[in-house]
Amino acid sequence: EVHLEESGGGLVQPGRSLRLSCRVSGFTFVDYGLTWFRQPPGKGLEWVSLTRSNSYGGETLYAASVQGRFSFLRSDSNTNAYLQMNSLKPEDTAIYFCTRWTQTGTSTRFDSWGQGTLVTVSS
Amino acid sequence: DIVMTQTPLSLSLTPGQPASISCRSSQSLVYSDGKTYLSWFLQKPGQSPQLLIHGVSNRFSGVSDRFSGSGSGTVYTLKISRVEAEDVGLYYCMQHVEAPWTFGQGTKVEIK
Repeated sequence: EVHLEESGGGLVQPGRSLRLSCRVSGFTFVDYGLTWFRQPPGKGLEWVSLTRSNSYGGETLYAASVQGRFSFLRSDSNTNAYLQMNSLKPEDTAIYFCTRWTQTGTSTRFDSWGQGTLVTVSS
Repeated sequence: DIVMTQTPLSLSLTPGQPASISCRSSQSLVYSDGKTYLSWFLQKPGQSPQLLIHGVSNRFSGVSDRFSGSGSGTVYTLKISRVEAEDVGLYYCMQHVEAPWTFGQGTKVEIK
């Protein structure tokens, strides 16, 4: 069974750093892309970053609002992905979701989501 | 950035009624490979979003056939043939033809 589980959220002061984890099981991480989305409290969904699967080039892109502050990392075992978040701002406060991104020749879909982890940036 | 505009922002329906949600994009969502990168998600209360439709009209595995997607170019529609109590939540369209990927504002569906 495909499963993604985020962890690492919490309360952090502005300007500090936090690393979110996305532990995956039930599939081979390198064969799929991974995306991070976020949802500020009471608001809609926002895209944060994408990482293509190795078969599709493996590039990582970031939303302009986090470019230069956030970075995607992957463990050697390929069972964990990380979102390293530096220089956090109050507007980064949100629930963060990691999502499996399946890319094939015929379709592309975001077919499995984690339960999310809440990040609160406040002094 | 591509702007996604969803209408209506809320729907209040009785069970069995049909529902239709529109999503308009500020530019075409057709990529150079000929595919259209538009997906629909449902976020039920207190849950993570779940995929309903990908590639405009492809129902994801396990999604009821009461849900259907259609559209082309810059205008897309999600239809629910007969609303049920389990369909309540926020519906989002998302374009992923080019970064930054962008979502519609969300449509809240509730049952009377």
